[in-house]
Amino acid sequence: ELKVEQNPLFLSMQEGKNYTIYCNYSTTSDRLYWYRQDPGKSLESLFVLLSNGAVKQEGRLMASLDTKARLSTLHITAAVHDLSATYFCAVGGRSGANNLFFGTGTRLTVIP
Amino acid sequence: EAQVTQNPRYLITVTGKKLTVTCSQNMNHEYMSWYRQDPGLGLRQIYYSMNVEVTDKGDVPEGYKVSRKEKRNFPLILESPSPNQTSLYFCASRRPGGSDEQYFGPGTRLTVT
Repeated sequence: ELKVEQNPLFLSMQEGKNYTIYCNYSTTSDRLYWYRQDPGKSLESLFVLLSNGAVKQEGRLMASLDTKARLSTLHITAAVHDLSATYFCAVGGRSGANNLFFGTGTRLTVIP
Repeated sequence: EAQVTQNPRYLITVTGKKLTVTCSQNMNHEYMSWYRQDPGLGLRQIYYSMNVEVTDKGDVPEGYKVSRKEKRNFPLILESPSPNQTSLYFCASRRPGGSDEQYFGPGTRLTVT
């Protein structure tokens, strides 16, 4: 069974600082997704990474994928309070995008 | 507005009383899926459907049933709910190919006593 591990599980950081969230997965996959969830809300798609070496950026967030290392990173640059949320990575399983396995999430709190 | 809707949003029920959570999407997506979210476990897939009359088990299908008689609807059925099915449930849909981006519904919080 595909295992997806995120770390850290909890992250408290000051505004203006940089940090990286890591997503490791146990078996080969060709696609990885990042989602954001605000408290009491649904999931919002942030990035879809479909190839080794893929890098995508949106505002202060940048995601990358290394399929050989089975690792994806979500880098936060100059954090602002609005980025406070829980971030999930998800990896395609035996049926690719039809069968996603999620990490346990990283709860990010940005302190003013 | 393109969206995935779920009903009800909140439900408290008793053990053994059959219930259905509805899911509907207006984007003409072939693929739909159900997940449950539990603290410390992230989201786990229950069932998914590639198209009408085509469904398959996800990671945690035990105790659940689904049907896909129409493209837009994908109800989740709990024939005999138990307390361990207390959870937050999300429906999602996507159009295969392209970015493979999934669109999630607002969630249904189910409590089984």
